[in-house]
Amino acid sequence: DAGVIQSPRHEVTEMGQEVTLRCKPISGHDYLFWYRQTMMRGLELLIYFNNNVPIDDSGMPEDRFSAKMPNASFSTLKIQPSEPRDSAVYFCASSLGGEIEAFFGQGTRLTVV
Amino acid sequence: EDKVVQSPLSLVVHEGDTVTLNCSYEVTNFRSLLWYKQEKKAPTFLFMLTSSGIEKKSGRLSSILDKKELFSILNITATQTGDSAVYLCAVAGGGGADGLTFGKGTHLIIQP
Repeated sequence: DAGVIQSPRHEVTEMGQEVTLRCKPISGHDYLFWYRQTMMRGLELLIYFNNNVPIDDSGMPEDRFSAKMPNASFSTLKIQPSEPRDSAVYFCASSLGGEIEAFFGQGTRLTVV
Repeated sequence: EDKVVQSPLSLVVHEGDTVTLNCSYEVTNFRSLLWYKQEKKAPTFLFMLTSSGIEKKSGRLSSILDKKELFSILNITATQTGDSAVYLCAVAGGGGADGLTFGKGTHLIIQP
């Protein structure tokens, strides 16, 4: 298996634009997590899905953030409109079962100018 | 509020030294503690600990959990420059969520 695949790897966008980050989890994994990493706050859980259903989105910072998982092999995290303070590395991770080892994608480095 | 605190924040040692990284936690319903190594990109899994007092070992790395005192340590012996990375501690079990609560990491630099 190729592991968790995220795209794009890097994105630079102007504030106010819509940003869509994409994730393909490891085949067969039933949990998918979106994390955000910044120097100030470290790694923070934004939202996670179990069997494509959002379970906990309490980490999503604002209504500008939304996430979907239309099927078991694809998820998106959307920011609309984007702001400079959204600049961070966004990681997607998947696991078989909830609290056990989660495999991380390579991350998307987002810069909003 | 669930908390994971790692210390030190950064550490610079010489190759061959032994280092001990610390992680203390407070979570609502502890289930497991995980250590990850993050180099330039994605965190990669090192250990998962669920029981107190049982050491997990992988080569020069080892880790142990104390559920009474709510902490874990990660030891690296005979360090090499390739061990330079950010080491992340994460805990599963906060408010019923299945996601992980991460500490801010220890930035370890091994000098030749």
